Amino acid sequence: AQTVTQSQPEMSVQEAETVTLSCTYDTSESDYYLFWYKQPPSRQMILVIRQEAYKQQNATENRFSVNFQKAAKSFSLKISDSQLGDAAMYFCAYRAAQGGSEKLVFGKGTKLTVNP
Amino acid sequence: EPEVTQTPSHQVTQMGQEVILRCVPISNHLYFYWYRQILGQKVEFLVSFYNNEISEKSEIFDDQFSVERPDGSNFTLKIRSTKLEDSAMYFCASSWRGSNQPQHFGDGTRLSIL
Repeated sequence: AQTVTQSQPEMSVQEAETVTLSCTYDTSESDYYLFWYKQPPSRQMILVIRQEAYKQQNATENRFSVNFQKAAKSFSLKISDSQLGDAAMYFCAYRAAQGGSEKLVFGKGTKLTVNP
Repeated sequence: EPEVTQTPSHQVTQMGQEVILRCVPISNHLYFYWYRQILGQKVEFLVSFYNNEISEKSEIFDDQFSVERPDGSNFTLKIRSTKLEDSAMYFCASSWRGSNQPQHFGDGTRLSIL
């Protein structure tokens, strides 16, 4: 079974600085998708960024980028120029690309605090 | 931007009672999901639903649980006889199609069983 591990329960960063959130996963599949979701307090989970495992290029979305290391099964999220609005729980998630399973497998989350 | 909406935001129910959690997925989406998060634990998949039937369910989704799309807009999760361990945040999600399309989540319903 696939598992996703986020080893940092909490992280903090100064406003305008850069922070990296870690995520590792375990799968025997060769093709899959990886996601980072952001959940602000009392709000819905919002997709931040998505990576397709067959693509070698790391995904980027404005200030958010990933470091996808397929061999190491690592998928970290880098937030550049951190803003107060980035404060949230961040969840790493995995989904199979084949085999019919649509379910997301989540990590336990990292709570990010942004200090002014 | 279209959103997934869930009602109620908080539901308090006596143990043994039935509860129905409601979700309105994004209107042109075809795949629907329920997840739950027990306090302090991971978000866990419960069930996926497509073409008016369950396409996948987890071990958690036992006979006490059922899902329904009673009309063209609502997607409900029913727990027949609630237990204390059903207390959790329940998230509904939808996607336009499966596979490479992202799932869009609602705000969640906090279910408290007394």
